[in-house]
Amino acid sequence: AQKITQTQPGMFVQEKEAVTLDCTYDTSDPSYGLFWYKQPSSGEMIFLIYQGSYDQQNATEGRYSLNFQKARKSANLVISASQLGDSAMYFCAMRENSGYSTLTFGKGTMLLVSP
Amino acid sequence: ETGVTQSPTHLIKTRGQQVTLRCSSQSGHNTVSWYQQALGQGPQFIFQYYREEENGRGNFPPRFSGLQFPNYSSELNVNALELDDSALYLCASSPEGPAGGSTDTQYFGPGTRLTVL
Repeated sequence: AQKITQTQPGMFVQEKEAVTLDCTYDTSDPSYGLFWYKQPSSGEMIFLIYQGSYDQQNATEGRYSLNFQKARKSANLVISASQLGDSAMYFCAMRENSGYSTLTFGKGTMLLVSP
Repeated sequence: ETGVTQSPTHLIKTRGQQVTLRCSSQSGHNTVSWYQQALGQGPQFIFQYYREEENGRGNFPPRFSGLQFPNYSSELNVNALELDDSALYLCASSPEGPAGGSTDTQYFGPGTRLTVL
Protein backbone atom coordinates (compact mmCIF):
# COMPACT_ATOMS: atom_id res chain seq x y z
CA ALA A 1 0.00 0.00 0.00
CA GLN A 2 1.19 3.49 -0.77
CA LYS A 3 2.11 5.48 2.29
CA ILE A 4 1.12 8.83 0.80
CA THR A 5 -1.72 9.14 -1.70
CA GLN A 6 -2.52 12.26 -3.65
CA THR A 7 -5.51 11.47 -5.83
CA GLN A 8 -5.65 14.73 -7.80
CA PRO A 9 -3.10 14.76 -10.64
CA GLY A 10 -4.14 18.31 -11.50
CA MET A 11 -6.27 21.10 -10.11
CA PHE A 12 -7.44 24.36 -11.60
CA VAL A 13 -8.41 27.41 -9.60
CA GLN A 14 -9.11 31.02 -10.37
CA GLU A 15 -7.04 33.75 -8.84
CA LYS A 16 -8.25 34.87 -5.39
CA GLU A 17 -10.25 31.69 -4.82
CA ALA A 18 -9.44 29.02 -2.24
CA VAL A 19 -8.35 25.52 -3.22
CA THR A 20 -7.94 22.26 -1.32
CA LEU A 21 -5.32 19.69 -2.29
CA ASP A 22 -5.99 16.22 -0.95
CA CYS A 23 -3.56 13.93 0.83
CA THR A 24 -4.16 10.66 2.66
CA TYR A 25 -1.48 8.69 4.45
CA ASP A 26 -0.92 5.25 5.88
CA THR A 27 1.18 4.51 8.93
CA SER A 28 1.06 2.42 12.05
CA ASP A 29 3.48 4.69 13.93
CA PRO A 30 1.78 6.77 16.64
CA SER A 31 4.36 9.52 16.13
CA TYR A 32 4.77 11.01 12.68
CA GLY A 33 4.95 14.32 10.87
CA LEU A 34 3.18 15.52 7.76
CA PHE A 35 4.59 18.09 5.38
CA TRP A 36 3.57 19.96 2.28
CA TYR A 37 6.12 21.16 -0.24
CA LYS A 38 5.73 23.31 -3.34
CA GLN A 39 7.86 22.61 -6.40
CA PRO A 40 7.86 25.26 -9.12
CA SER A 41 9.16 24.44 -12.58
CA SER A 42 12.65 25.46 -11.41
CA GLY A 43 12.76 22.24 -9.38
CA GLU A 44 13.45 23.45 -5.86
CA MET A 45 11.23 21.95 -3.16
CA ILE A 46 9.88 24.76 -0.99
CA PHE A 47 8.67 23.87 2.49
CA LEU A 48 5.16 25.20 3.15
CA ILE A 49 3.69 23.72 6.32
CA TYR A 50 4.15 21.00 8.94
CA GLN A 51 1.72 19.08 11.16
CA GLY A 52 2.83 16.76 13.93
CA SER A 53 0.69 13.75 14.75
CA TYR A 54 0.20 14.94 18.34
CA ASP A 55 -0.60 18.54 17.44
CA GLN A 56 -4.08 19.42 18.64
CA GLN A 57 -4.56 22.38 16.34
CA ASN A 58 -4.44 22.44 12.58
CA ALA A 59 -1.26 24.08 11.32
CA THR A 60 -1.43 27.43 9.57
CA GLU A 61 1.23 29.46 7.78
CA GLY A 62 -0.04 32.61 6.15
CA ARG A 63 -2.33 31.62 3.28
CA TYR A 64 -1.64 27.93 3.86
CA SER A 65 -3.51 25.77 6.32
CA LEU A 66 -3.51 22.06 6.86
CA ASN A 67 -6.83 20.32 7.46
CA PHE A 68 -5.64 17.43 9.63
CA GLN A 69 -8.17 14.65 10.24
CA LYS A 70 -6.26 12.01 12.17
CA ALA A 71 -9.00 9.37 12.30
CA ARG A 72 -9.41 9.56 8.55
CA LYS A 73 -5.62 9.77 8.02
CA SER A 74 -5.95 12.81 5.84
CA ALA A 75 -3.87 15.97 5.72
CA ASN A 76 -5.32 18.25 3.09
CA LEU A 77 -3.63 21.52 2.17
CA VAL A 78 -5.88 24.57 1.87
CA ILE A 79 -4.56 27.58 -0.02
CA SER A 80 -6.66 30.68 0.48
CA ALA A 81 -6.77 33.61 -1.94
CA SER A 82 -4.82 31.84 -4.70
CA GLN A 83 -2.22 33.84 -6.58
CA LEU A 84 -0.74 33.28 -10.03
CA GLY A 85 2.57 32.45 -8.38
CA ASP A 86 0.95 29.49 -6.63
CA SER A 87 0.98 27.56 -9.91
CA ALA A 88 3.32 24.64 -9.22
CA MET A 89 3.49 20.99 -8.21
CA TYR A 90 2.51 20.32 -4.61
CA PHE A 91 3.78 17.32 -2.70
CA CYS A 92 2.52 15.84 0.53
CA ALA A 93 5.15 13.98 2.55
CA MET A 94 5.35 12.03 5.79
CA ARG A 95 8.12 11.42 8.29
CA GLU A 96 7.60 8.29 10.37
CA ASN A 97 9.27 7.56 13.67
CA SER A 98 11.82 5.28 12.05
CA GLY A 99 14.87 6.55 13.88
CA TYR A 100 15.92 8.91 11.13
CA SER A 101 14.02 11.71 9.56
CA THR A 102 13.51 10.55 6.00
CA LEU A 103 10.48 11.73 4.07
CA THR A 104 8.10 9.64 2.01
CA PHE A 105 6.44 11.66 -0.75
CA GLY A 106 3.24 11.34 -2.70
CA LYS A 107 3.14 11.67 -6.47
CA GLY A 108 2.09 15.28 -6.33
CA THR A 109 -0.72 17.51 -7.57
CA MET A 110 -0.18 20.10 -10.28
CA LEU A 111 -2.01 23.32 -9.41
CA LEU A 112 -2.74 25.87 -12.12
CA VAL A 113 -4.03 29.29 -11.11
CA SER A 114 -5.74 31.27 -13.85
CA PRO A 115 -6.34 35.05 -13.92
CA GLU B 1 16.20 30.91 0.15
CA THR B 2 16.97 27.78 2.13
CA GLY B 3 20.72 28.25 2.18
CA VAL B 4 21.15 24.85 0.55
CA THR B 5 23.08 24.91 -2.71
CA GLN B 6 23.80 22.18 -5.21
CA SER B 7 26.21 21.84 -8.10
CA PRO B 8 26.18 21.42 -10.94
CA THR B 9 22.74 22.54 -12.05
CA HIS B 10 22.65 20.25 -15.06
CA LEU B 11 24.81 17.34 -16.12
CA ILE B 12 24.89 15.02 -19.10
CA LYS B 13 26.67 11.68 -18.87
CA THR B 14 26.75 8.45 -20.85
CA ARG B 15 25.94 4.96 -19.67
CA GLY B 16 28.68 3.35 -17.60
CA GLN B 17 30.24 6.63 -16.49
CA GLN B 18 30.55 7.84 -12.93
CA VAL B 19 29.18 11.10 -11.53
CA THR B 20 29.62 13.17 -8.38
CA LEU B 21 26.97 15.64 -7.27
CA ARG B 22 27.63 18.17 -4.57
CA CYS B 23 25.57 19.86 -1.91
CA SER B 24 26.35 22.58 0.58
CA SER B 25 24.05 23.28 3.51
CA GLN B 26 23.93 25.90 6.21
CA SER B 27 26.15 25.90 9.23
CA GLY B 28 24.53 23.85 11.96
CA HIS B 29 22.60 21.61 9.58
CA ASN B 30 24.00 18.31 10.76
CA THR B 31 21.72 16.01 8.76
CA VAL B 32 21.70 15.75 4.98
CA SER B 33 19.45 13.56 2.88
CA TRP B 34 19.57 12.81 -0.83
CA TYR B 35 16.55 12.11 -2.99
CA GLN B 36 16.05 11.03 -6.58
CA GLN B 37 13.07 12.46 -8.42
CA ALA B 38 12.20 10.85 -11.73
CA LEU B 39 10.06 12.79 -14.18
CA GLY B 40 6.44 12.97 -13.04
CA GLN B 41 7.13 11.32 -9.68
CA GLY B 42 7.67 12.39 -6.11
CA PRO B 43 11.20 12.30 -4.67
CA GLN B 44 12.51 8.91 -3.53
CA PHE B 45 14.84 8.67 -0.54
CA ILE B 46 18.37 7.51 -1.39
CA PHE B 47 20.25 7.88 1.91
CA GLN B 48 20.85 10.14 4.86
CA TYR B 49 23.97 11.26 6.69
CA TYR B 50 24.17 12.52 10.23
CA ARG B 51 27.45 13.93 11.51
CA GLU B 52 29.37 12.37 8.63
CA GLU B 53 27.99 8.87 9.03
CA GLU B 54 25.31 7.18 6.94
CA ASN B 55 22.34 6.52 9.21
CA GLY B 56 19.66 5.45 6.77
CA ARG B 57 19.33 4.16 3.23
CA GLY B 58 16.46 3.70 0.82
CA ASN B 59 16.03 1.03 -1.83
CA PHE B 60 19.00 2.00 -3.97
CA PRO B 61 21.91 -0.23 -5.05
CA PRO B 62 25.43 0.15 -3.62
CA ARG B 63 26.61 1.99 -6.72
CA PHE B 64 24.88 4.98 -5.10
CA SER B 65 27.21 6.18 -2.37
CA GLY B 66 27.78 9.35 -0.44
CA LEU B 67 29.95 11.36 1.86
CA GLN B 68 29.33 14.15 4.34
CA PHE B 69 32.10 16.51 5.39
CA PRO B 70 32.67 18.52 8.59
CA ASN B 71 32.00 21.78 6.74
CA TYR B 72 28.34 20.77 6.11
CA SER B 73 28.95 19.85 2.50
CA SER B 74 28.16 16.45 1.05
CA GLU B 75 28.49 14.39 -2.09
CA LEU B 76 26.40 11.84 -3.93
CA ASN B 77 28.39 9.47 -6.13
CA VAL B 78 26.83 7.21 -8.70
CA ASN B 79 28.94 4.57 -10.46
CA ALA B 80 28.16 2.63 -13.64
CA LEU B 81 25.41 5.02 -14.70
CA GLU B 82 22.27 3.56 -16.24
CA LEU B 83 19.65 5.25 -18.39
CA ASP B 84 17.14 5.03 -15.52
CA ASP B 85 19.43 7.15 -13.36
CA SER B 86 18.27 10.17 -15.36
CA ALA B 87 16.45 12.29 -12.81
CA LEU B 88 16.51 15.38 -10.64
CA TYR B 89 18.71 14.77 -7.59
CA LEU B 90 17.75 16.75 -4.53
CA CYS B 91 19.74 17.38 -1.42
CA ALA B 92 17.96 18.34 1.80
CA SER B 93 19.36 19.37 5.15
CA SER B 94 17.96 19.66 8.65
CA PRO B 95 19.19 21.95 11.41
CA GLU B 96 20.41 20.70 14.74
CA GLY B 97 17.64 20.29 17.27
CA PRO B 98 17.83 21.93 20.73
CA ALA B 99 18.77 18.61 22.33
CA GLY B 100 21.02 17.43 19.52
CA GLY B 101 19.84 15.31 16.62
CA SER B 102 17.95 16.97 13.79
CA THR B 103 14.63 18.73 13.62
CA ASP B 104 11.83 17.38 11.47
CA THR B 105 11.79 19.91 8.68
CA GLN B 106 14.08 19.32 5.73
CA TYR B 107 15.17 22.22 3.55
CA PHE B 108 15.89 21.41 -0.05
CA GLY B 109 18.39 22.71 -2.54
CA PRO B 110 17.51 23.52 -6.15
CA GLY B 111 18.59 20.09 -7.40
CA THR B 112 20.90 18.73 -10.06
CA ARG B 113 19.27 17.47 -13.24
CA LEU B 114 21.19 14.44 -14.49
CA THR B 115 20.67 13.09 -17.98
CA VAL B 116 22.21 9.74 -18.89
CA LEU B 117 22.49 9.01 -22.61
